[in-house]
Amino acid sequence: DAGVTQSPTHLIKTRGQQVTLRCSPKSGHDTVSWYQQALGQGPQFIFQYYEEEERQRGNFPDRFSGHQFPNYSSELNVNALLLGDSALYLCASSFRTGSPDTQYFGPGTRLTVL
Amino acid sequence: AQSVTQLGSHVSVSEGALVLLRCNYSSSVPPYLFWYVQYPNQGLQLLLKYTSAATLVKGINGFEAEFKKSETSFHLTKPSAHMSDAAEYFCAVSDPGGYQKVTFGIGTKLQVIP
Repeated sequence: DAGVTQSPTHLIKTRGQQVTLRCSPKSGHDTVSWYQQALGQGPQFIFQYYEEEERQRGNFPDRFSGHQFPNYSSELNVNALLLGDSALYLCASSFRTGSPDTQYFGPGTRLTVL
Repeated sequence: AQSVTQLGSHVSVSEGALVLLRCNYSSSVPPYLFWYVQYPNQGLQLLLKYTSAATLVKGINGFEAEFKKSETSFHLTKPSAHMSDAAEYFCAVSDPGGYQKVTFGIGTKLQVIP
């Protein structure tokens, strides 16, 4: 059983560009959450998707947007990249009705903005 | 708003010594509490969780944590450190009535000295 997968593994962009990160949840999971982990920091909650809708959002600007597909996979889009967007982006999947302990994290996508 | 404070961004212990990583939480409702471990260039792995059952929680790899409401603490311990325990550890909190949004601490990097 494949766990949470994310692509790409690494990504390098320049300021002002746009980026799309992808996440496939663990088999049977229907909810996807995205987190940003800056160097030396703990992960920060960006938003969560369930039933193809954004259900909850953290303190991130509108430049961060997402999407969930009918097969529960998800994308994170970041527009007008800033140097400060350089971070490890983590995806976590879970059952919607489960408790938070059912969240499984992917290995992350390392984004570098130059 | 919920939050966690991890005391000590870096902790060093000798192999075979007691591991103690400190975490204090702030929550307006009885929380769910977690410890995650992150190895270099990897995602997060759940070590253990407290979800209002037993206050002493046992996790994987010999770790355990005790929920102390009077002290608002959830410290992580392990009787004898192994070299393989060297990693970064994150304490996290979630509102049990929430939508699985998890708030992480800043992390504690554990070094194990041979």
